[in-house]
This record gives sequence, C-alpha cells and structure tokens, in this order.
Amino acid sequence: EIVMTQSPATLSVSPGERATLSCRASQSVSSNLAWYQQKPGQAPRLLIYGASTRATGIPARFSGSGSGTEFTLTISSLQSEDFAVYYCQQYNDWPRTFGQGTKVEI
Amino acid sequence: QVQLVQSGAEVKKPGSSVKVSCKASGGSFSTYALSWVRQAPGQGLEWMGGIIPILGTAHYAQKFQGRVTITADESTSTAFLELSGLRSEDTAMYYCARTTGWFDPWGQGTLVTVSS
Repeated sequence: EIVMTQSPATLSVSPGERATLSCRASQSVSSNLAWYQQKPGQAPRLLIYGASTRATGIPARFSGSGSGTEFTLTISSLQSEDFAVYYCQQYNDWPRTFGQGTKVEI
Repeated sequence: QVQLVQSGAEVKKPGSSVKVSCKASGGSFSTYALSWVRQAPGQGLEWMGGIIPILGTAHYAQKFQGRVTITADESTSTAFLELSGLRSEDTAMYYCARTTGWFDPWGQGTLVTVSS
C-alpha cells in the first residue's frame, strides 16, 4: 500500500503567520491527493482535492501544491480557527491511505 | 447538499459484532461510493472499505477482510458497516463519508467502545 508521511508532526505558529505542511507519498500518486482539517470532537473536513483545488467554502488562505510524491499545504495567515490537525490522503490506489497528521498549535 | 447522519454510540463485549448505520439525505445516494473510515482514540484516520450502492459490491481494506461487511439499502438511502470479532483495539470513532476519491461530506461519527 502507499504510505503517506507528513511532516512535521507538530507545528507551532502564531496567529497571522504562514504555515507550511508537507506530505510525502511512498510512490507517485499523480495529483490524486486531498487535505483535511480536523478539530477536536469533530469529523474531518475536506479542504483540498486534486492536490490544489479548494473545496467549496474553503477560504483562499488555504492552498495546496505538488504532484507525484511531494505535496504542500500552505495556510497563508493563520486565524484562530485554523489551529487543528491536518491530514493528507491519496486516492491514486487502493487502499486509500492517510498521513499520520500534522497538529498546528499556537 | 448531501448530509450523512450516523447511528448512536455503541458499547460491545469482546468477540461480539456491531452494526453502524449511515443515512444520506439531500442528494443522490445510489450513484456515489460511500466509505467507512475509523479513528482510534488519539490516532489517525484509517480507510476500512466502501460501496457503490447502485452496484451493491463492496471493497475492503485487506486488514479488515473477513471481519467487515459493508452494505447499502437504496430504498432508505442508508449504508451499513458491520464489524465482527470485536476486540479492544476496535474501540474507535467510525465515520462514513461520500467518496469521489476524496471523502466529502462526512457523517458525524459513531463511537464504538469494546469493553468487557
């Protein structure tokens, strides 16, 4: 199965700062990569699909890039509501697999 | 706008089975795949399997083969996850999610606790 590796495990940033999260696939997933945000006690929420397409209603401060095996989620200016855990997920192959998550904390 | 509403929390004994439901409203049910994803306490997300209701055939992660059954009832727009041979490691939040490669939207989750 394709192993997704996220880094760092924890990212400490201040409100208003830029956050850059990385996701690496053990083999090429083309652009079949999604990003999710999960807050405590809530289900994950889709942010990005197709590596760079924002889902409906997602603010423009969230952007995704990359293809093949290297991907990045950038939050241009962190708002208080952005502190959460972020997961990447590949859908190029079965089984669908997720990264272990990056916690963005204050 | 599709909404997915799951059944309530369950407490089960080791070795027993659990069946969780996921009812869709507000959009097409039969033609989209629906997956089940679980999350153990404090852990990440794990895809278990999925089904396309109109086809009726399910696809499972190898890890769960033989223990999991995913079905769908088109007449009630409801999908089901049944997990048998429960053990303590199956204690987790179980989510359903519509699947088009990515997962969106998600149900609210169903907590399954396995305890003697």
